[in-house]
Amino acid sequence: NAGVTQTPKFQVLKTGQSMTLQCAQDMNHNSMYWYRQDPGMGLRLIYYSASEGTTDKGEVPNGYNVSRLNKREFSLRLESAAPSQTSVYFCASSALGSSYNSPLHFGNGTRLTVT
Amino acid sequence: RKEVEQDPGPFNVPEGATVAFNCTYSNSASQSFFWYRQDCRKEPKLLMSVYSSGNEDGRFTAQLNRASQYISLLIRDSKLSDSATYLCVVVQDAGNNRKLIWGLGTSLAVNP
Repeated sequence: NAGVTQTPKFQVLKTGQSMTLQCAQDMNHNSMYWYRQDPGMGLRLIYYSASEGTTDKGEVPNGYNVSRLNKREFSLRLESAAPSQTSVYFCASSALGSSYNSPLHFGNGTRLTVT
Repeated sequence: RKEVEQDPGPFNVPEGATVAFNCTYSNSASQSFFWYRQDCRKEPKLLMSVYSSGNEDGRFTAQLNRASQYISLLIRDSKLSDSATYLCVVVQDAGNNRKLIWGLGTSLAVNP
């Protein structure tokens, strides 16, 4: 019953360093998402992938890149980390991104601190 | 006006109490609605979808009022384990895809 698996759970970076957050789902879902959650700001969409082979920008894409490696995996890359990217990152998936009634299932989150 | 608004709380209630949260939305064309629960430092978890006719799952009842543009979540016989933040999500049409708009959440503390 893995669902959505994210790695790592915690990460500390120095300004300018790069890293990739990994996400994999075993529910055969078509759509995958990357969110960040900050106090007082709620969940904000960074990028999403409606289906394998497609990716689109969300609300706050600057400073991030994504790769939908296959149907299962969707990674988020920070090329040059900044303190403003300190946040909790959640990966999510849904069966059909175009269906209004398809809920999201979240991974456990990655707590990232950029110093 | 924010697209989706929730009373942040916190709501402090004793065990066994009934508590209700509302979530208002501004776009009358919103298509579907969900309630999620988020425990401290954990991921959001789907609590229930909200159907037009209202729906119930054990102690939880969700309702939709399209005329007044809000959804509600009623929790009966509150348990200590219900303490969490409750997020509402409103789903809107976005051309070929959909747009999910998240509320900031309502914090509930159930006290012994």
